Amino acid sequence: EVELVESGGGLVQPGGYLRLSCAASGFSFSNYWMSWVRQPPGKGLEWLGNIKEDGSATNSVDSVKGRFTISRDNVKKSLNLQMNSLRGEDTAVYYCAREIPGQHVALDYWGQGTLVTVSS
Amino acid sequence: QSVLTQPPSVSGAPGLRVTISCTGSGSNIGAGFDVHWYQHLPGTAPKLLIYGSNNRPSGVPDRFSGSKSGMSASLAIIGLQAEDEADYYCQSYDSSLTAVVFGGGTKLTVL
Repeated sequence: EVELVESGGGLVQPGGYLRLSCAASGFSFSNYWMSWVRQPPGKGLEWLGNIKEDGSATNSVDSVKGRFTISRDNVKKSLNLQMNSLRGEDTAVYYCAREIPGQHVALDYWGQGTLVTVSS
Repeated sequence: QSVLTQPPSVSGAPGLRVTISCTGSGSNIGAGFDVHWYQHLPGTAPKLLIYGSNNRPSGVPDRFSGSKSGMSASLAIIGLQAEDEADYYCQSYDSSLTAVVFGGGTKLTVL
């Protein structure tokens, strides 16, 4: 059974940093692109970026470029999101998700999410 | 403001049919990029309902269907059930933004 479990969320001060992880199981992790998506309180979903199967390429939205970095460890079957220079507007539930191969970022499995709160 | 426009809310009685629209532009849906649809219940993981504009993943009931025409896409739900009450999001790719984009979401209420 495919399972994605995020961890690492919590309360952080503005300007601080946090590293989220997503543990994958039940599928061949190294064969899939993976994405990060977030949902601020009371708002809709926002795609943050993704990473290629072997980690050799990433894409990200302008709002997080230069602050957030996506990486992966295919041996540990782990997806990571390093978040620096955090702002209040980064407060959200963060989800990792698996992409269907060849379907241009159709996300077929999602984790339950981890809450990040940026506040002083 | 989302690049893909969805109605904030729709409603329907049990057993009836509702549609949720997703309107884009020439740099996303109109450019031929696929549209995907998700169902999201608060506090849970979003669920993929439709991918590639009109394909259902295994396990998704055939009460759900998708279509795309021009710069718009639609999700149709027939035989509404109480369990369908949720938020629904469309998603595509925008070549101007070079990013995946979601619609603002539509809250479905089953009356």
